[in-house]
Amino acid sequence: GNSVTQMEGPVTLSEEAFLTINCTYTATGYPSLFWYVQYPGEGLQLLLKATKADDKGSNKGFEATYRKETTSFHLEKGSVQVSDSAVYFCALRKGGGNKLTFGTGTQLKVEL
Amino acid sequence: EAQVTQNPRYLITVTGKKLTVTCSQNMNHEYMSWYRQDPGLGLRQIYYSMNVEVTDKGDVPEGYKVSRKEKRNFPLILESPSPNQTSLYFCASSAQQGSNTEAFFGQGTRLTVV
Repeated sequence: GNSVTQMEGPVTLSEEAFLTINCTYTATGYPSLFWYVQYPGEGLQLLLKATKADDKGSNKGFEATYRKETTSFHLEKGSVQVSDSAVYFCALRKGGGNKLTFGTGTQLKVEL
Repeated sequence: EAQVTQNPRYLITVTGKKLTVTCSQNMNHEYMSWYRQDPGLGLRQIYYSMNVEVTDKGDVPEGYKVSRKEKRNFPLILESPSPNQTSLYFCASSAQQGSNTEAFFGQGTRLTVV
């Protein structure tokens, strides 16, 4: 079946540091890939998405590129802020369906 | 404002006492689903609904029921809650348009069963 593997957290960074959160997936066919963010006490919000190989999703300074050859969708940001502290979930959705398969989430804490 | 509303946000109950968590969306979405979030396990789908009167099991349906009598509402029912159902629950909705559609999530319901 489908699965998503994320790097374990928590990840603690200083403000303005470079961020990478690794995500790899297992799926048949060509899934769409997503990053969701969960701020403390809130629900999940879509951060960015990519629907086909080599697509780059971007939003709020975050980027992720759909790499089919390595089945990866790593999240990156060049300079994190304290306000980026949250839990980040990588997810996939198979073509034609609506079900999301999530990774376990990676908690990011950014300190001054 | 487009939103998914869950109630209650927090609930403490005792084993065996039936409870319902409500979920309502104002986006006229066809697809709705329930997830539970547990540490180290991410979000797992409990039940989903493709449209009114159409529901099906997700990955972890045991101990839960749902109904979809109206398009906007998708309540989650625990007939006889047990401590292993202590979790953070999220309702989500999306348009029935295929794999590009964004899923919108409620703010979550933190349930504790003692």
